[in-house]
Amino acid sequence: NAGVTQTPKFQVLKTGQSMTLQCAQDMNHEYMSWYRQDPGMGLRLIHYSVGAGITDQGEVPNGYNVSRSTTEDFPLRLLSAAPSQTSVYFCASSLDRDEKLFFGSGTQLSVL
Amino acid sequence: KNEVEQSPQNLTAQEGEFITINCSYSVGISALHWLQQHPGGGIVSLFMLSSGKKKHGRLIATINIQEKHSSLHITASHPRDSAVYICAVNPWGGSQGNLIFGKGTKLSVKP
Repeated sequence: NAGVTQTPKFQVLKTGQSMTLQCAQDMNHEYMSWYRQDPGMGLRLIHYSVGAGITDQGEVPNGYNVSRSTTEDFPLRLLSAAPSQTSVYFCASSLDRDEKLFFGSGTQLSVL
Repeated sequence: KNEVEQSPQNLTAQEGEFITINCSYSVGISALHWLQQHPGGGIVSLFMLSSGKKKHGRLIATINIQEKHSSLHITASHPRDSAVYICAVNPWGGSQGNLIFGKGTKLSVKP
């Protein structure tokens, strides 16, 4: 099993550009989520999904879009990048709500 | 008010010391996670607890549901244990979207 695969590892965008962060897991996990990590703020939830076709907003959803067409994939789309979205992004998955979390390796995003 | 408080925020230890990191929370929970993040690195799950105690190698995690408190202990600490340790809780009745994270404890173990 590859676990949770997150790409890219690094990305630099200009303000207004759009991009998609990819997240895939091969563990047949129902729960998937996207977090951003900023200095001094800890991890904050952007969007999450409890299964294919089901997504919901987290604490900081503005400016981001998600979809879950398959169990394996949970991409995060930045619609029009802003400097405030400069952060480190993590994708995570778990088999069920109270199960061990598996994280992707992270994406360091800079928006200029 | 933070619902998950970790202490200390920063901790420096000498190699071989016994280390304790604490996590207190204010809500009823169904599970608590301890995570490890090395500098510039990804996040790894160390433990998921709903009661009692778990041990893995030199790491021990305990939880007291009544007192809303958990501890992570590291025995015979080593420089490779240097990392940020994060506590996160699943409140009762919520979905994974309600996972609440502490801000982390930065541990540095000196040789």
